[in-house]
Amino acid sequence: AQSVTQPDIHITVSEGASLELRCNYSYGATPYLFWYVQSPGQGLQLLLKYFSGDTLVQGIKGFEAEFKRSQSSFNLRKPSVHWSDAAEYFCAVDVPEAAGNKLTFGGGTRVLVKP
Amino acid sequence: NAGVTQTPKFQVLKTGQSMTLQCAQDMNHNSMYWYRQDPGMGLRLIYYSASEGTTDKGEVPNGYNVSRLNKREFSLRLESAAPSQTSVYFCASAKGANQPQHFGDGTRLSIL
Repeated sequence: AQSVTQPDIHITVSEGASLELRCNYSYGATPYLFWYVQSPGQGLQLLLKYFSGDTLVQGIKGFEAEFKRSQSSFNLRKPSVHWSDAAEYFCAVDVPEAAGNKLTFGGGTRVLVKP
Repeated sequence: NAGVTQTPKFQVLKTGQSMTLQCAQDMNHNSMYWYRQDPGMGLRLIYYSASEGTTDKGEVPNGYNVSRLNKREFSLRLESAAPSQTSVYFCASAKGANQPQHFGDGTRLSIL
């Protein structure tokens, strides 16, 4: 079965600084990859997804992610963080040939933004 | 657009009580899902419905039942609530296989 690891539980970053969130997955082939963001008291919102093709994926809110097959990673980046980016971020994978579109989520990374 | 609507938003139950969480989507999506979210564990799939008329177990189905009432609605029932079921429950829907899922705002459930 596939698994997803987000090594950083908390990250604190200054407003205007760059941000990188790590995600590693375990699966025998290339899965479909997703990043979601969750603001306090809200549901999850899709930031971006990777299915195939260009390994650098652009998403909403100025986020991008890079798929690296050799490292089984799909790290999320933002060049300049805004206070509104304070939230919890989840990486998720989906197995292409599995029925039911079942996502496996990482444990999440909570981002705090310092003024 | 309402998207995915969950009711109620908050609920407190006593151990042994039963409860049904409601979920409805207005995006004409085929697939619907129920997750629970616990600190440090991300979201774990309880049950899903790949299409109207079908339901299947996810990672943590014990203690829960579901009903796909029609294409729009997917309910989650706790027959005899236990403190271990204290969690935030999310419903999601997707157009189909391998498509992004859209989430509701969650139901925060406490069982005393």
